[in-house]
Amino acid sequence: GQSLEQPSEVTAVEGAIVQINCTYQTSGFYGLSWYQQHDGGAPTFLSYNALDGLEETGRFSSFLSRSDSYGYLLLQELQMKDSASYFCAVRDPGNTGFQKLVFGTGTRLLVSP
Amino acid sequence: DGGITQSPKYLFRKEGQNVTLSCEQNLNHDAMYWYRQDPGQGLRLIYYSQIVNDFQKGDIAEGYSVSREKKESFPLTVTSAQKNPTAFYLCASSTRLAELYEQYFGPGTRLTVT
Repeated sequence: GQSLEQPSEVTAVEGAIVQINCTYQTSGFYGLSWYQQHDGGAPTFLSYNALDGLEETGRFSSFLSRSDSYGYLLLQELQMKDSASYFCAVRDPGNTGFQKLVFGTGTRLLVSP
Repeated sequence: DGGITQSPKYLFRKEGQNVTLSCEQNLNHDAMYWYRQDPGQGLRLIYYSQIVNDFQKGDIAEGYSVSREKKESFPLTVTSAQKNPTAFYLCASSTRLAELYEQYFGPGTRLTVT
């Protein structure tokens, strides 16, 4: 089967740096995506890593290590608006060849003043 | 502005009734998806469609049905056979199935069945 593990909650203060980890176990692997979801809202795509290493997009960066089945999302210069849930999602080929996104249960980030 | 619309935002139904959730996109995307989200959980795939007149079951398709008669539209019917239908339903799309890692989501429909 497939499983993704993320911490359930992380807290930080404005201006700080926070790292949200994701470890995965899947039958196959093509890449790791990250999504942000504010309470009651729609998930929005943040980043995708298919290869090992760090991808930077503004204040957000995402890292992948395929040999360790591990990735993380790094948020810098935290702002109050970054308070949201963050989901990692694995691009999994499955047994039928149909690729699908398998989502983790999400990490709730609380940013305080 | 391009995007995905879902209606209504909140929906209330009595047990035993079928209900259809609307999903429309004007992004010209080929692939569309339906997910279910329960409190404190990730998204689970119900159905997906990679092209008009084609759709496939996801991980939790029992009690649901879909159609894809137009590229822009992918409605989801929650039937009375779905044992626990109360949830937050999200529709999404991607340019094509091969680029499913980057999906665009609609605002969701919160369905409550009593």
